[in-house]
Amino acid sequence: NAGVTQTPKFQVLKTGQSMTLQCAQDMNHEYMSWYRQDPGMGLRLIHYSVGAGITDQGEVPNGYNVSRSTTEDFPLRLLSAAPSQTSVYFCASSPRVGSFTDTQYFGPGTRLTVL
Amino acid sequence: SQQGEEDPQALSIQEGENATMNCSYKTSINNLQWYRQNSGRGLVHLILIRSNEREKHSGRLRVTLDTSKKSSSLLITASRAADTASYFCATARSSGAGSYQLTFGKGTKLSVIP
Repeated sequence: NAGVTQTPKFQVLKTGQSMTLQCAQDMNHEYMSWYRQDPGMGLRLIHYSVGAGITDQGEVPNGYNVSRSTTEDFPLRLLSAAPSQTSVYFCASSPRVGSFTDTQYFGPGTRLTVL
Repeated sequence: SQQGEEDPQALSIQEGENATMNCSYKTSINNLQWYRQNSGRGLVHLILIRSNEREKHSGRLRVTLDTSKKSSSLLITASRAADTASYFCATARSSGAGSYQLTFGKGTKLSVIP
């Protein structure tokens, strides 16, 4: 199993550009989520999904869209990039939606810089 | 808002010493989890303690949970240089519809000097 994969690893955007961060998992996990990590702020939840076709907002959803058309993929779209979105983005998955005790498996992250 | 807050923000110890990190949180939880992040990498799960548990061990790790004080501690015994990393606590609570959210603290940066 590859686990949770993210592409690209690094990205530089100009203000106003749009892009999609890709996330895929091959573990048949129901639950997938996106976090951003800023210096001194820990990880903050952007959006999450409990299954194909079902998504919900986390703590900091503004400026981001998600969709989940398959169990495996959970892309994060930046609609119009802003410097405040400069961050490291992590995708994570866990096996079962209803199980609080399932641990999360994290991807390696995408480092995004918005100029 | 940040649910968990780790203390201290940074910790530097000699190899072989024990390292203790603390985490405080604000609302009721289902469980509390600790993760490790090596520089430039994703997070790796270390240990989970349920809200009805008080102490848990895994190898050189010992976690305690005091729900009355809304706090947890992570003890790493006999530290090694390879333990150098940032450590995060995360609290799990219901987000409705049978699902949950993990809320992470800001982390403790541990440096173990050989």
